[in-house]
Amino acid sequence: KQEVTQIPAALSVPEGENLVLNCSFTDSAIYNLQWFRQDPGKGLTSLLLIQSSQREQTSGRLNASLDKSSGRSTLYIAASQPGDSATYLCAVNDYKLSFGAGTTVTVRA
Amino acid sequence: NAGVTQTPKFQVLKTGQSMTLQCAQDMNHEYMSWYRQDPGMGLRLIHYSVGAGITDQGEVPNGYNVSRSTTEDFPLRLLSAAPSQTSVYFCASSPRRGSLDEQFFGPGTRLTVL
Repeated sequence: KQEVTQIPAALSVPEGENLVLNCSFTDSAIYNLQWFRQDPGKGLTSLLLIQSSQREQTSGRLNASLDKSSGRSTLYIAASQPGDSATYLCAVNDYKLSFGAGTTVTVRA
Repeated sequence: NAGVTQTPKFQVLKTGQSMTLQCAQDMNHEYMSWYRQDPGMGLRLIHYSVGAGITDQGEVPNGYNVSRSTTEDFPLRLLSAAPSQTSVYFCASSPRRGSLDEQFFGPGTRLTVL
């Protein structure tokens, strides 16, 4: 059974600092990995989708890397802003989605 | 496109009551699924469907029923609500199952069972 872990559970940084969010998974036989953002009381917004054959994916200030062999993905958010405050979830797709519990980020102005 | 829509947004039930959570998508996606989200546990798959007329169980199916009579709709039925079913429920869709496609989520239904 796929287990997905996100550490740390919470993170607080001053505005302008770069964010590094970690996601680890136990079974490397995956199709893809997806990063989501969730604002309080809201649904999930897709940020990035990395295919199993890719090493990284970029969108604006966001960059996600994938190391399948070691079972790890990292989401980098450059020059953080207060509007980046949210919970970030990673989900591994090995024919079904398995989610981590998320990292709650607070960016202090 | 409206994307994935869910109704109601909020619901309070008494133990033993039944109800249906509605989910619809207008993207002609084959794959639809239901998740529940509980604090500290991440999202867990309840049921999924790879197309009209085809459904299967996920990780936590007990106490829930689904059907898929059309491509657009995938309702989730609670047969006899229990306090353990208090949760936030999300519906998601994807063009094809087990593919390289992105998953799209609805806004969620917040359910409280007293």
